[in-house]
Amino acid sequence: DAKTTQPPSMDCAEGRAANLPCNHSTISGNEYVYWYRQIHSQGPQYIIHGLKNNETNEMASLIITEDRKSSTLILPHATLRDTAVYYCIVSQIYNFNKFYFGSGTKLNVKP
Amino acid sequence: DADVTQTPRNRITKTGKRIMLECSQTKGHDRMYWYRQDPGLGLRLIYYSFDVKDINKGEISDGYSVSRQAQAKFSLSLESAIPNQTALYFCATSDPDGTSNQPQHFGDGTRLSIL
Repeated sequence: DAKTTQPPSMDCAEGRAANLPCNHSTISGNEYVYWYRQIHSQGPQYIIHGLKNNETNEMASLIITEDRKSSTLILPHATLRDTAVYYCIVSQIYNFNKFYFGSGTKLNVKP
Repeated sequence: DADVTQTPRNRITKTGKRIMLECSQTKGHDRMYWYRQDPGLGLRLIYYSFDVKDINKGEISDGYSVSRQAQAKFSLSLESAIPNQTALYFCATSDPDGTSNQPQHFGDGTRLSIL
């Protein structure tokens, strides 16, 4: 499965939108982009996934570029509770046994 | 009650001991997974099971074994624990059909220290 590249850390002011980038230049046509987050040392939490269209749910929005080589996870109004490590993963649909979590991006939401 | 329950939550033991970590779920998912996480790193897959009769090795299965006793239970064993198996261990389940809003669920983890 394709690997991803994420910045190791980002800061965001509370109440502002947090935009987390991910590069996946070797993504295959049947691979989806998944986002998870891990708050402190809790179990990771699934956020959203998409193939090529932008997706939105109650937690976040996922914007995938037209060439699918990169994506952005958007938390529209970040709160302190959104401070976590965010993982971008590329894999075939629901192929969780092939997930590669990498090191993710540590998002620090500041008051 | 948690959907995915791991026991124990914390364990300290000595080198050479046999350790069993247990995972039970109420999600009704067929697929279950065991991961380990080392400090500052992402999760790595140890074993996974797509149903009761299906067990598969993951990326780092050496030194570990598993048992799928029922759809709801998936145990991870360290036959002879060694210090470099000190880590945070997570169990997860998944919905293969993706019909739920949360296609994969994780437990809260077991922190294992081997002295």
